[in-house]
Amino acid sequence: AQSVTQLGSHVSVSEGALVLLRCNYSSSVPPYLFWYVQYPNQGLQLLLKYTSAATLVKGINGFEAEFKKSETSFHLTKPSAHMSDAAEYFCAVSASRGYNKLIFGAGTRLAVHP
Amino acid sequence: DTAVSQTPKYLVTQMGNDKSIKCEQNLGHDTMYWYKQDSKKFLKIMFSYNNKELIINETVPNRFSPKSPDKAHLNLHINSLELGDSAVYFCASSQQGYGYTFGSGTRLTVV
Repeated sequence: AQSVTQLGSHVSVSEGALVLLRCNYSSSVPPYLFWYVQYPNQGLQLLLKYTSAATLVKGINGFEAEFKKSETSFHLTKPSAHMSDAAEYFCAVSASRGYNKLIFGAGTRLAVHP
Repeated sequence: DTAVSQTPKYLVTQMGNDKSIKCEQNLGHDTMYWYKQDSKKFLKIMFSYNNKELIINETVPNRFSPKSPDKAHLNLHINSLELGDSAVYFCASSQQGYGYTFGSGTRLTVV
């Protein structure tokens, strides 16, 4: 079974500051891990994914995440926040074998202020 | 050309009605899903089909019935709609779990 915990339902940063959104996972098999972003009243857009290749994954819009097996973490970072980054961010896990389904965390709302 | 398309985008209906949401993907993926996003933004899987075969059926009221006529289509029919069914419903597809592509969602409002 898989589960995801996102620490912090709301994160607020200043424009230009580091963005760090935390995600911890639990999985009984090697996981695939994903970050999605959802802008207001829109669908889910894939930011990046880990599928057992490089542990440091680079995604769109300057985001990256590092898979740390020992810490069961997959935190999302961006060196410098932009106003347009304000959105809801979801971490998700799926199994790397068998029938797959995405299990989502509860989401983190990122606010960026001037 | 939209990869995963859902129709309609918005659906407002009265309690007790029956409604359907359609989903089509042109990615050649073998697995399709329905997810429900509630008012607190929580996303939960409802159903999954692999090559037209139902493989995941989470704890969903049997008023919800998915149908997959072929592997590119997955529709969701809801009978006797209730206020609590109001949510955003997302269709998604994947190929062996390497990546999941989502539709833009259907916002269902039951009044």
